[in-house]
Amino acid sequence: NAGVTQTPKFRILKIGQSMTLQCTQDMNHNYMYWYRQDPGMGLKLIYYSVGAGITDKGEVPNGYNVSRSTTEDFPLRLELAAPSQTSVYFCASSRAPPGASGLYNEQFFGPGTRLTVL
Amino acid sequence: QKEVEQNSGPLSVPEGAIASLNCTYSDRGSQSFFWYRQYSGKSPELIMSIYSNGDKEDGRFTAQLNKASQYVSLLIRDSQPSDSATYLCAVETTSGTYKYIFGTGTRLKVLA
Repeated sequence: NAGVTQTPKFRILKIGQSMTLQCTQDMNHNYMYWYRQDPGMGLKLIYYSVGAGITDKGEVPNGYNVSRSTTEDFPLRLELAAPSQTSVYFCASSRAPPGASGLYNEQFFGPGTRLTVL
Repeated sequence: QKEVEQNSGPLSVPEGAIASLNCTYSDRGSQSFFWYRQYSGKSPELIMSIYSNGDKEDGRFTAQLNKASQYVSLLIRDSQPSDSATYLCAVETTSGTYKYIFGTGTRLKVLA
């Protein structure tokens, strides 16, 4: 199993450009998450999904959009990139949701995408 | 009050010593707690999960949970230079939609 994979690893965008960060998992997990991590900070939840076709906003959704057409894929779309979106983006997945104590709710992370907006 | 608090460090310990990392949280309804290790430039890697009060041991790692005092800790015995990393505490929160809240992490340096 490859686990959670993300592409690209690095990207530089100009202000106003758009791009899609790709995330794929091969563990058949229903729950998927997008986080951003700014230097010296913890992970902030952008969006999450509880299954194909179902997504919801996290703590910092502004400037981003997601879709979930399959169990495996959870792309993150940046529209009109801004310097404030310079960050490292991590995708994660889990078999069970938060709240399912002891029932496979651990999250597994992809390698991340380092995005710079100039 | 921050939802999940960790001392940012760095916490420096000599090789072979016990490293003690602490985390406090604000949501009394939280039931799931996780420790992740993150090397510089890499993604978080799950080290331990704990759901019940008390201790949980896995090799050199021990997680301790005290729900009454709202803290969770991670002990690393026989610390090695390879343990040098940032350790993130994550807590499941029941406020609003179920989700995980991450602390800002404690940077651990194990000195050879």
